[in-house]
Amino acid sequence: EVQLVESGGGLVQPGGSLRLSCAASGFTFNSYWMTWVRQAPGKGLEWVANINQDGSEKYYVDSVKGRFTISRDNAKNSLYLQMNSLRAEDTAVYYCARRNLEGGDYFDYWGQGTRVTVSS
Amino acid sequence: DIQMTQSPSSLSASVGDRVTITCRASQSISSYLNWYQQKPGKAPKLLIYAASRLQSGVPSRFSGSGSGTDFTLTISSLQPEDFATYYCQQSYSTPITFGQGTRLEIK
Repeated sequence: EVQLVESGGGLVQPGGSLRLSCAASGFTFNSYWMTWVRQAPGKGLEWVANINQDGSEKYYVDSVKGRFTISRDNAKNSLYLQMNSLRAEDTAVYYCARRNLEGGDYFDYWGQGTRVTVSS
Repeated sequence: DIQMTQSPSSLSASVGDRVTITCRASQSISSYLNWYQQKPGKAPKLLIYAASRLQSGVPSRFSGSGSGTDFTLTISSLQPEDFATYYCQQSYSTPITFGQGTRLEIK
């Protein structure tokens, strides 16, 4: 069974940093792109970043470029999101998801999410 | 960036109704269109990928159609568990973008 479990969320002051983790199991982690998607309170879904299988390709939404870094450790079946210079508008539930390219391009499995609150 | 616009933003319907949600892309995205269902406090769930392909385990009352810029998600006969928010998403180009969501409520 595919499982994605996020951790690392919490309350942080503006300008602070946080590192999110996503532990993957039930599939061959190093065969898939992975992604982070966030959802601000009461709002819709926003794609944040993608990373390819070996970590050599990374893409970000403009609003986090230069502040967030996506990475992975295939030996630990883990995905990460390092978030620096956090702003109030980064407050959201952050989901990790598996990107599947078989027959299309879609996010077929999602974690339960971890909540990040940026506030003084 | 490709903008995705869903209509309606909210919809009231009854159990057994046939419901259609529309998603329009600001430029052609071929068939790189996916649909997700999200219930309150839960992660999104993939329903339809590549515009019309039903994800494994998803009931056949869900169907998708369209290509280019105009897409639809249809629920043929609403069940109580279908009341949720639905999002379309384009994967044609980065940044990946989602529609604003359609909230499906019980009438």
